Amino acid sequence: GEDVEQSLFLSVREGDSSVINCTYTDSSSTYLYWYKQEPGAGLQLLTYIFSNMDMKQDQRLTVLLNKKDKHLSLRIADTQTGDSAIYFCAETFSNTGKLIFGQGTTLQVKP
Amino acid sequence: DARVTQTPRHKVTEMGQEVTMRCQPILGHNTVFWYRQTMMQGLELLAYFRNRAPLDDSGMPKDRFSAEMPDATLATLKIQPSEPRDSAVYFCASALRGDGELFFGEGSRLTVL
Repeated sequence: GEDVEQSLFLSVREGDSSVINCTYTDSSSTYLYWYKQEPGAGLQLLTYIFSNMDMKQDQRLTVLLNKKDKHLSLRIADTQTGDSAIYFCAETFSNTGKLIFGQGTTLQVKP
Repeated sequence: DARVTQTPRHKVTEMGQEVTMRCQPILGHNTVFWYRQTMMQGLELLAYFRNRAPLDDSGMPKDRFSAEMPDATLATLKIQPSEPRDSAVYFCASALRGDGELFFGEGSRLTVL
């Protein structure tokens, strides 16, 4: 079936690293994504990774992909209060092209 | 600047009333998605279109929901009759390519009393 799973909540202190985890189902997904939703707003694409990559780094963000375990993670280094938001993992299904999101992980950053 | 525009931003209505939500995708984007977000269910895909043709509406309750694209600049989501369980934030998103980079509107918050 089509299912993307994430833990619902993560709380960290400002300056610490945050790691948000996700598991997905379609092993043929070409891309996997991380979206960010700030309060009262729509989702914005944060970063993505091609399925033939193991890691992608973009400034404070590091995405790790373990295809064998169908596990995706997002690491935010030096987490700031402005990083407080809901983070969604998503995958595209190659046979339909539709984008399916996880439930979202609420990241709370304490000063 | 280019963005997805949704109207209304907020809607409060009574059970049984018809509700129509509108979306203007980014000019040139050929794929449009409708999602519903609730605390309990998270973000659910209701329907999506490519080049104005419906590709998948399996996530949508067919008896009361309908989605259309009368033209390339307008997508609509209609609920008739509305029920309290339809209360949610409805997001429209558009994409230029089929690679998952979606651009979301700010959402329409619907409350059905």
